[in-house]
Amino acid sequence: NAGVTQTPKFQVLKTGQSMTLQCAQDMNHEYMSWYRQDPGMGLRLIHYSVGAGITDQGEVPNGYNVSRSTTEDFPLRLLSAAPSQTSVYFCASSPGAVYGYTFGSGTRLTVV
Amino acid sequence: GQNIDQPTEMTATEGAIVQINCTYQTSGFNGLFWYQQHAGEAPTFLSYNVLDGLEEKGRFSSFLSRSKGYSYLLLKELQMKDSASYLCACRDNYGQNFVFGPGTRLSVLP
Repeated sequence: NAGVTQTPKFQVLKTGQSMTLQCAQDMNHEYMSWYRQDPGMGLRLIHYSVGAGITDQGEVPNGYNVSRSTTEDFPLRLLSAAPSQTSVYFCASSPGAVYGYTFGSGTRLTVV
Repeated sequence: GQNIDQPTEMTATEGAIVQINCTYQTSGFNGLFWYQQHAGEAPTFLSYNVLDGLEEKGRFSSFLSRSKGYSYLLLKELQMKDSASYLCACRDNYGQNFVFGPGTRLSVLP
């Protein structure tokens, strides 16, 4: 099992550009989430999904879209990148409510 | 809403014991998790408490008091590789997501 795979690992965007961060898991987990991590602020939830076709907003959803067409994939779209979106992004998955999350290796995004 | 507090930094000596505290205030609670995160890497799951008491897993133990909104992670026989950030996280009442604390950066010195 590869676990949770995120691509790309590093990305530099110009303000106003759009892009998609990819996340795939091969563990048949129902729960998937996207977090961003900024210095001194911990991990903050952007969007999450409890199964294919079901998504919802987290704490900081503005500027991001998600979709969940399959159990395996949960891409995060940045609509129009802003410098405030410079961060490390983690995708995570879990088999259910009483289990911890397995995190991907992260995407380090810089918006200039 | 939820508010989670942890010390920002701690230092301990190799071979010693260290306790990392976490206090939380939540509108709903469905379990407390501890994660370890080495610099530049992803968090990895360490422990889970949903009932009061101590959960032991090798060198690591985690304690929870729901009435006090308090948890701690106890690391014994510290090793250099234990230098990392330790994240406390509460699962919300719906069981779907975590709210993370800011993390405690632990430095283990020789």
